[in-house]
Amino acid sequence: GAVVSQHPSRVICKSGTSVKIECRSLDFQATTMFWYRQFPKQSLMLMATSNEGSKATYEQGVEKDKFLINHASLTLSTLTVTSAHPEDSSFYICSATATGGVQPQHFGDGTRLSIL
Amino acid sequence: KQEVTQIPAALSVPEGENLVLNCSFTDSAIYNLQWFRQDPGKGLTSLLLIQSSQREQTSGRLNASLDKSSGRSTLYIAASQPGDSATYLCAADNYGQNFVFGPGTRLSVLP
Repeated sequence: GAVVSQHPSRVICKSGTSVKIECRSLDFQATTMFWYRQFPKQSLMLMATSNEGSKATYEQGVEKDKFLINHASLTLSTLTVTSAHPEDSSFYICSATATGGVQPQHFGDGTRLSIL
Repeated sequence: KQEVTQIPAALSVPEGENLVLNCSFTDSAIYNLQWFRQDPGKGLTSLLLIQSSQREQTSGRLNASLDKSSGRSTLYIAASQPGDSATYLCAADNYGQNFVFGPGTRLSVLP
């Protein structure tokens, strides 16, 4: 079945560091990828929609200069948390949908980000 | 704006029981509805996808129903097993793109 690879799975770094998270669709092309964030004991919240070859669409309240998204190819989207602070510590998950028809979303395993 | 709720928030049952998880959504104009499973610290696993024209989907011991007019979906798990312990999320898709997630139901199946 369709596989989405997300890397790294866990990051621990100091405050002020920028962290890049990759999301790859391994065996299908995804025009659109999504980035979600999950705080402890809360559900997933959509952060942004990543469109190949164009600017990402951010949800209200999500700082686009803080969370940089690049979707340079049909199989790769990256999320960069710039100058991360402890309040950015969270679980970040990406998903991708294969192009064509009604397709289920396929999720990466997530990245647990801890900012000290 | 679509809102999705799930009840109960948590459920603990002995092994072997049949159980039902409930999901409600406010905007019935959905494109599809999907049920996911999430294990602690892990990503989501898609369980069942119900398109707006369908009323139910089945996969093994899982059966999901959809009633758009009432804004409800249920996930039925038959003969529950300890390995079913996880958080179950439903998500409504209004436009064939992103989803609006419910808060989830934490299920514990006791051996």
